Amino acid sequence: EVQLVESGGGLVQPGGSLRLSCAASGFTFSSYSMNWVRQAPGKGLEWVSYISSSSTTINYADSVKGRFTISRDNAKNSLYLQMNTLRAEDTAVYYCARESVTTVTNWGQGTLVTVSS
Amino acid sequence: QSALTQPASVSGSPGQSITISCTGTSSDVGSYNLVSWYQQHPGKAPKLMIYEGSKRPSGVSNRFSGSKSGNTASLTISGLQAEDEADYYCCSYAGSSTPWVFGGGTKLTVL
Repeated sequence: EVQLVESGGGLVQPGGSLRLSCAASGFTFSSYSMNWVRQAPGKGLEWVSYISSSSTTINYADSVKGRFTISRDNAKNSLYLQMNTLRAEDTAVYYCARESVTTVTNWGQGTLVTVSS
Repeated sequence: QSALTQPASVSGSPGQSITISCTGTSSDVGSYNLVSWYQQHPGKAPKLMIYEGSKRPSGVSNRFSGSKSGNTASLTISGLQAEDEADYYCCSYAGSSTPWVFGGGTKLTVL
């Protein structure tokens, strides 16, 4: 069974940093591209970042470009999102999501990031 | 990349059918047959219901079906059941630099 477990969320002040992690199991992590998708409270889903299976291709939404960095460690079956210079509008539940070429197939339960003073 | 356009809400009675539309552009929905639909219950993670426009993952009821015409994709749920009440999101591939764009979501109410 595919499992994705996010961690690292919490309360952070504006301008602060946070590192999210996603532990993957139940599939060959190194064979799949991964994404981070976020959902602000009461709002819709927003794609944040993509990383290919071997980390050769990385993309970011314009809203986080230059502030967030996606990475992965295939030896540890883990995905990461380093978030710097956080803003109030970054407040959201952040989901780790597995991609299978034509769609995003599996989602974790999410971790809540709250940016507030 | 702008979000895809969905109605904010739809409703139907048990046993009826409803359709949720998802309008994009020639750069996303219109260019690729890669529209997915997700169901999300409150406090839960999204669940894949339809992919590649009209395909159902294993385990998803055949009451759920998808289609596309031009820049608009649609999700139809037939034989509405109480457990179908949830938020539904469409998602389309939008190219290599911004791979995924989501709709704003539609709240389905089963009356």
